[in-house]
Amino acid sequence: EVQLLESGGGLVQPGGSLRLSCAASGFTFSNSAMSWVRQAPGKGPEWVSAISDSGRKTYYADSVKGRFTISRDNSKNTLYLQMNSLRAEDTALYYCAKDRLVHDSWGHGTLVTVSS
Amino acid sequence: EIVMTQSPATLSVSPGEGATLSCRASQSLSSNLAWYQQKPGQAPRLLIYDTSTRATGIPAKFSGSGSGTEFTLTISSLQSEDFAVYYCQQYNNWPPGTFGQGTKVEIK
Repeated sequence: EVQLLESGGGLVQPGGSLRLSCAASGFTFSNSAMSWVRQAPGKGPEWVSAISDSGRKTYYADSVKGRFTISRDNSKNTLYLQMNSLRAEDTALYYCAKDRLVHDSWGHGTLVTVSS
Repeated sequence: EIVMTQSPATLSVSPGEGATLSCRASQSLSSNLAWYQQKPGQAPRLLIYDTSTRATGIPAKFSGSGSGTEFTLTISSLQSEDFAVYYCQQYNNWPPGTFGQGTKVEIK
């Protein structure tokens, strides 16, 4: 069974930083592209970033480009999202999701709140 | 960026009835469209991909159709567990993969 467990969310001031992690199990992590998708309260999901299986290719939504960095450690089966220069509009539940285009497995999410 | 527009925003349906949800894209998608179901407090769950292919474990009561810019999710004989929010997502012009704003299917 695929399991994705996010962590690292919390309350941060505008301009601050957070690093999210996603521990994966139940599938061959190193063979799968991975994504971060966020959902603001009462809104639809918004794709944030994706990374190839090897980690060599990364992709970002325009709204986070230059501020967020996606990475992975295939030896630890873990996906990361480094978030810098956070803004109020980054407040959302952040999901780790399997694959790049269509997401057949999601974690339960970790909440990021950006507020002073 | 492709904009996805779902209608209606809310659909009131009696248990046992069927429901038809619509999704319109601002550009042609070929067949690169997926549908997700989301219940309160849960992550989205993949129902349909490639317009009409059901994901693993998804019952036949869920069916997808369409092409180009107009797509439909049809749910037959709604049961209590089917009342949820449904999102369409395009992945034809990626990145980004854009989602619609959702259709809430509620009990009438």
